[in-house]
Amino acid sequence: QLLLQESGPGLVKPSETLSLTCTVSGGSISSSSYHWGWIRQPPGKGLEWIGNIFYRGNTYYNPSLKSRVTISVDTSKNQFSLKLSSVTAADTAVYYCARHYGSGSDSWGQGTLVTVSS
Amino acid sequence: DIQMTQSPSSVSASVGDRVTITCRASQDISRWLAWYQQKPGKAPKLLVFGSSSLQSGVPSRFSGSGSGTDFTLTISPLQPEDFATYYCQQANSFPHTFGQGTKVEIK
Repeated sequence: QLLLQESGPGLVKPSETLSLTCTVSGGSISSSSYHWGWIRQPPGKGLEWIGNIFYRGNTYYNPSLKSRVTISVDTSKNQFSLKLSSVTAADTAVYYCARHYGSGSDSWGQGTLVTVSS
Repeated sequence: DIQMTQSPSSVSASVGDRVTITCRASQDISRWLAWYQQKPGKAPKLLVFGSSSLQSGVPSRFSGSGSGTDFTLTISPLQPEDFATYYCQQANSFPHTFGQGTKVEIK
C-alpha cells in the first residue's frame, strides 16, 4: 500500500522560506507512470494546486506561485520536497503531497498545517 | 489558466436522494477531469478520473460524465457517509486547477 507522509516545521516566520518533505513508502518515486505533487488548502477554503514533479526532475508550477516555488526530488531517499520563499500570512494552509496519475491524484498524504506568523 | 466553475456551491439533501454537481471548464479539457470527496480534517479522496472512470473501491452510487467543458458528478442514492465537500480538478494542462467545491449537507 502506497503511503505518503509530509514533514516539516509547522510554524514559519513571515519573509522566510517554508520547507516541506514528502516521504513515499510502499512504492518507488522513480516510476515513469506518475508525477508527484503539492496541493494546499487555506483554513476553511478550497484546494490550490501548487506544482508537480516527475522523477527525472521535470517540474510544473502554478504561475501564481512560480516565482517563489521550488519542487525537487531525491530518488535515493524516495522523497520529494517543496520550498516556498518569502512567505506571508496568506501562505498559511494545510499542505498535502500527492501522487498524480493520468487525470487524477490517487494517493495523498494526511496533510500538514503550516502557519506563517511571527 | 483554465478556470473550473462548480455549481451549486452547496446543496442540502436527504439520505436516499439523487444529488448532481456540475463542473464547467473555461475551455475544452476533453475528458481530463477528476472528482474528489473531502471530509473535515481529511485529505481529499479520488472518486472519479478521466471524467467517468470510477476509482477502485468507490461505490457504484457515484458516477461521472461529460467531456469538453461540461461535467457532472451524480450521487444516487445519497448515503449518510456521503455528506462532504466535493471538488473537480482538470488535468488537461498546467496548472491543474480545482473547482471551488460543493458542500453536500444534510437536509
